[in-house]
Amino acid sequence: QKEVEQNSGPLSVPEGAIASLNCTYSDRGSQSFFWYRQYSGKSPELIMFIYSNGDKEDGRFTAQLNKASQYVSLLIRDSQPSDSATYLCAVNGEYSSASKIIFGSGTRLSIRP
Amino acid sequence: EAGVTQFPSHSVIEKGQTVTLRCDPISGHDNLYWYRRVMGKEIKFLLHFVKESKQDESGMPNNRFLAERTGGTYSTLKVQPAELEDSGVYFCASSPRDNGYEQYFGPGTRLTVT
Repeated sequence: QKEVEQNSGPLSVPEGAIASLNCTYSDRGSQSFFWYRQYSGKSPELIMFIYSNGDKEDGRFTAQLNKASQYVSLLIRDSQPSDSATYLCAVNGEYSSASKIIFGSGTRLSIRP
Repeated sequence: EAGVTQFPSHSVIEKGQTVTLRCDPISGHDNLYWYRRVMGKEIKFLLHFVKESKQDESGMPNNRFLAERTGGTYSTLKVQPAELEDSGVYFCASSPRDNGYEQYFGPGTRLTVT
């Protein structure tokens, strides 16, 4: 079983709609959860992180965490063509490995005009 | 402020040769990380430096890989001898603190072993 699982997509969403990206993780000891955006041929860019159960909003982005279900999601409201990218879900470990980030393989998102 | 830089951007070598990748972190960042993504797989952690010391090298695949960070500034990752399965994109990241919140990634080095 992979440590962080994501649907590879592609996920196609019309412009202006809500894009919903999902992720599950296997290690119950995971402390923090991240969403990175990666444009083709570019480096990953951190867009959201969350460490408490519930929702965290930042502009058009909302991260949701449910530790009991080991589930993380990212909602993108009012999707724009510029949001088309691969979204990487990632987690870090317990205290001794807090900076070791474990990535999922990513979900490719395509926003169609 | 300059970001994380990596050199070269792309390297093509033959199996059995040696390649050295370089990473220059953001100035003042004590923490430096190496990751790699092989074709079709997820990005995987290789190791973590705090200044010049290796904090965690649990992700290094085998002893053909040697990472150094002399003086606590830039870092090099040497692969000797390179194998076909070493092909992929090698990312470097740096952060001011030892956490996962503030890791800034470089553009990566694409390594192709033929």
